[in-house]
Amino acid sequence: NAGVTQTPKFRILKIGQSMTLQCAQDMNHNYMYWYRQDPGMGLKLIYYSVGAGITDKGEVPNGYNVSRSTTEDFPLRLELAAPSQTSVYFCASNRAGARETQYFGPGTRLLVL
Amino acid sequence: DQQVKQNSPSLSVQEGRISILNCDYTNSMFDYFLWYKKYPAEGPTFLISISSIKDKNEDGRFTVFLNKSAKHLSLHIVPSQPGDSAVYFCAAKGTNFGNEKLTFGTGTRLTIIP
Repeated sequence: NAGVTQTPKFRILKIGQSMTLQCAQDMNHNYMYWYRQDPGMGLKLIYYSVGAGITDKGEVPNGYNVSRSTTEDFPLRLELAAPSQTSVYFCASNRAGARETQYFGPGTRLLVL
Repeated sequence: DQQVKQNSPSLSVQEGRISILNCDYTNSMFDYFLWYKKYPAEGPTFLISISSIKDKNEDGRFTVFLNKSAKHLSLHIVPSQPGDSAVYFCAAKGTNFGNEKLTFGTGTRLTIIP
């Protein structure tokens, strides 16, 4: 199992550009999440999904969009990049169940200039 | 409103001694708590968890203690090893909420001094 994979590892964007952060998991997990981590801060939930075709907003969804067409993939879309979106983005997944552990990908570092 | 707080941004401990990392929470609906460990340029990895029906959970060198009345939990690492140097995140969730969302603290950077 590759677990949770994320691409790219690092990206520099200009203000106003758009991009898609890719996330895939091969563990057949129903639940998937996108977090961002700013320096000195904890992980903030952007969006999450409880299964294919179902997504919902987290704590900081503004400026982002997601889709979940398959169980495996959960891409995060930035439409108009802003410097405030400079951060490290983590994708995570877990099986359904209140005490199931979330497994994280290695992260994507995004710099918006 | 920070519902999960880790008030110590950093902690340095001598190798072989005990490391104690603290976490406080404010939401009384939280009933399941986790610690994650994060190395630079990697994603967080699960370390240990505890349910609110317990006050202690142990896994090898790692023990988590929960004081529900004080809304406080702590992670003890004994003995501390150089490989334990990492950022540790406390996280919490309310399992009766019907969702899986975790609320994370801001992390404590632990440095083990050889």
